[in-house]
Amino acid sequence: AQSVSQHNHHVILSEAASLELGCNYSYGGTVNLFWYVQYPGQHLQLLLKYFSGDPLVKGIKGFEAEFIKSKFSFNLRKPSVQWSDTAEYFCALRGVGDDKIIFGKGTRLHILP
Amino acid sequence: ETGVTQTPRHLVMGMTNKKSLKCEQHLGHNAMYWYKQSAKKPLELMFVYSLEERVENNSVPSRFSPECPNSSHLFLHLHTLQPEDSALYLCASSQERSDYGYTFGSGTRLTVV
Repeated sequence: AQSVSQHNHHVILSEAASLELGCNYSYGGTVNLFWYVQYPGQHLQLLLKYFSGDPLVKGIKGFEAEFIKSKFSFNLRKPSVQWSDTAEYFCALRGVGDDKIIFGKGTRLHILP
Repeated sequence: ETGVTQTPRHLVMGMTNKKSLKCEQHLGHNAMYWYKQSAKKPLELMFVYSLEERVENNSVPSRFSPECPNSSHLFLHLHTLQPEDSALYLCASSQERSDYGYTFGSGTRLTVV
């Protein structure tokens, strides 16, 4: 079965704390992996993506994610969060050759000023 | 603006009403999607249109009826909905077989009373 699991539904951090959001997936083939972000009242937008090559990918606003194939994981990290990072974060996958993207349930991140 | 425009932004309808959601993309993409976003659930893929042909219907009830008259426009026709259909309905577009993910619209917040 194809699925994406995000372990934390709600994360609260103080500014300058380090962030790691977990994402694991299940898919019987090669995948492309994504993190999307949805700021309050705004549309979903792409934060970063992994297609091939270097498993450590860097995205916008200082975010990065590491693809660990053996663990079926694609965790999102940021060394020092800001209040403006308050948003909901969605991990997603797409099978290579497929067009539909499968999303996780999302993690709501709340940064305390 | 993301290049994908959804109207209306908010919609309240009774269970016996008929309404339509509209999505328009100005990105030259050739695939369009409807997703449903409910609280505490993953984004649910409803319909996929590729080159104006429906290629996927994820067991969506017949009270939801999509229409794609051309590659730039996508509609979701609604009739005799249930209160549990209340959700955020997101439209997305993409260029098939490309390295990019989706571009999402801002969504239509639907409330069924």
